[in-house]
Amino acid sequence: AQSVTQLDSQVPVFEEAPVELRCNYSSSVSVYLFWYVQYPNQGLQLLLKYLSGSTLVESINGFEAEFNKSQTSFHLRKPSVHISDTAEYFCAVGGTGRRALTFGSGTRLQVQP
Amino acid sequence: EAQVTQNPRYLITVTGKKLTVTCSQNMNHEYMSWYRQDPGLGLRQIYYSMNVEVTDKGDVPEGYKVSRKEKRNFPLILESPSPNQTSLYFCASSLDGENQPQHFGDGTRLSIL
Repeated sequence: AQSVTQLDSQVPVFEEAPVELRCNYSSSVSVYLFWYVQYPNQGLQLLLKYLSGSTLVESINGFEAEFNKSQTSFHLRKPSVHISDTAEYFCAVGGTGRRALTFGSGTRLQVQP
Repeated sequence: EAQVTQNPRYLITVTGKKLTVTCSQNMNHEYMSWYRQDPGLGLRQIYYSMNVEVTDKGDVPEGYKVSRKEKRNFPLILESPSPNQTSLYFCASSLDGENQPQHFGDGTRLSIL
């Protein structure tokens, strides 16, 4: 069975500081990996995804994540956060044959001025 | 505008009173699914549908029913709601499966008293 672990439930950070949101997964098969973001009172939106190819993937708003197969990790990073990045971030794994995504429990990023 | 529409957004009801949460997408997507979101647990899939008249159970299907009579609609039915079904529910759709970008509705907050 696959599982996704997000090690931090909350991450407070000051504006313009760097941030890393950690995600580890377990699966016996090759996987696809995703980060979704949820702004207050909204549904989730896809932030970025790893399906194959380059292990470093980037989003249009400055986030990036690196797939590390040996460490089974897919950590999300941003070199300089903005107030508008305040949201909850979910890591998810697919491609396991279950026809469903398995989500982590989420990390709430709180950007302070 | 491409969107997934859920109704109602909020509902407070009592144990045993049947209710339906509607979900409609305008993107001609094949794949639709329902999730519930609970604090500390992330999102867990209830049911999914690969196409019209094709539905299957997710991780937490007990107490729920779905139908897919038309491609655009995927209602979630609680025949006899109980307090443990109090949760935030999301409908999602994608082109043809869980590994495509999921488009989420804005959520339905259900309170079962």
